[in-house]
Amino acid sequence: AQSVAQPEDQVNVAEGNPLTVKCTYSVSGNPYLFWYVQYPNRGLQFLLKYITGDNLVKGSYGFEAEFNKSQTSFHLKKPSALVSDSALYFCAVRDSGAGSYQLTFGKGTKLSVIP
Amino acid sequence: EAQVTQNPRYLITVTGKKLTVTCSQNMNHEYMSWYRQDPGLGLRQIYYSMNVEVTDKGDVPEGYKVSRKEKRNFPLILESPSPNQTSLYFCASSWVPRGQGGGNEQFFGPGTRLTVL
Repeated sequence: AQSVAQPEDQVNVAEGNPLTVKCTYSVSGNPYLFWYVQYPNRGLQFLLKYITGDNLVKGSYGFEAEFNKSQTSFHLKKPSALVSDSALYFCAVRDSGAGSYQLTFGKGTKLSVIP
Repeated sequence: EAQVTQNPRYLITVTGKKLTVTCSQNMNHEYMSWYRQDPGLGLRQIYYSMNVEVTDKGDVPEGYKVSRKEKRNFPLILESPSPNQTSLYFCASSWVPRGQGGGNEQFFGPGTRLTVL
């Protein structure tokens, strides 16, 4: 079975500081990994994905994520946080060897960027 | 504009009164899915569909039905809603990847907030 863990319910960071939102996963095959963002009263928006290749993936709004196979992690990062980055962030995984197309989401991490 | 639409956006109903939440996408996606979002539980998949007339259960299918008679539409049906189905519901769609290209991201609708009294 595939699973995702986001160990922090909330992350607070000062505007202009770097931010990290953590994600670890468990799959039996190779992982396809995704980050989504949810702004208040909105649906989820795709940020970035890792399928194969370079471990550092760049996405929308200046976000990037680093795939680490040995630590089974896919942490989301941004060098300089903006107040407008405040939102709920979800990590998701799909097991490439599972034979289904089911995405499993983490429980979400609320990011608050303090002015 | 490429989008996933859901209706209604907000719904308050009573226990046992059948309801349908519609979902439509204009991107010709094969794959469609329903999720529910609850505080502290994240998103959990209810049902999904790989193509017309092909549906399958997700993690929490009890109390829900779906149908996929047309490629663009994927309605969620609650035959006899109960208060534990009070939640925020999202529909999503994507292409079905071919071969090793398994990483197609999903596009989400704006959500339907359902309250069952």
